[in-house]
Amino acid sequence: EDQVTQSPEALRLQEGESSSLNCSYTVSGLRGLFWYRQDPGKGPEFLFTLYSAGEEKEKERLKATLTKKESFLHITAPKPEDSATYLCAVQTASHTGNQFYFGTGTSLTVIP
Amino acid sequence: NAGVMQNPRHLVRRRGQEARLRCSPMKGHSHVYWYRQLPEEGLKFMVYLQKENIIDESGMPKERFSAEFPKEGPSILRIQQVVRGDSAAYFCASSLGSGANVLTFGAGSRLTVL
Repeated sequence: EDQVTQSPEALRLQEGESSSLNCSYTVSGLRGLFWYRQDPGKGPEFLFTLYSAGEEKEKERLKATLTKKESFLHITAPKPEDSATYLCAVQTASHTGNQFYFGTGTSLTVIP
Repeated sequence: NAGVMQNPRHLVRRRGQEARLRCSPMKGHSHVYWYRQLPEEGLKFMVYLQKENIIDESGMPKERFSAEFPKEGPSILRIQQVVRGDSAAYFCASSLGSGANVLTFGAGSRLTVL
């Protein structure tokens, strides 16, 4: 069964304290792995897409990496405005071609 | 570029009433997805549609729920005879098409069933 698991569920960091969020997956036929940011009361906002093991993407203080079994979202020197829930999703090669499975997210709080 | 537009943003219904949620995809996007999100839970897939065609409805309850994406107009998620357990945030997302395409989400419709 296709599964996406994110850890930790919640993370509190001091401003400037770097850390990593994990997304482990078990899917048949990975087409892409996606990271989204979701602020309270809003829809998820796209951050990164990774397609193959070894790939890395960076945007400001965020860096996403991918292996065959998991992805990491590294946050370097976070600021309070980075506080949000970070969602991981995988796209699988289902019969419809376009099935996306989401993890339950990591709620990040960055304390000034 | 208005992005994915969902309305209403908030909807309150009494048990037994009907709820209709609407979603207009991004300009140029022909694929629409509906997801449900409960507090402390992830986004649960409900249905995937193209214009005039349901591609995958494996995540949608067999009873009371239906979805459409007509040739003209927005996609509609319809919940008949709502129950308290239907209270949730419903998100619509759109994409260009098949393949490894990014989903662009709307702001969501929050349904409260009294």
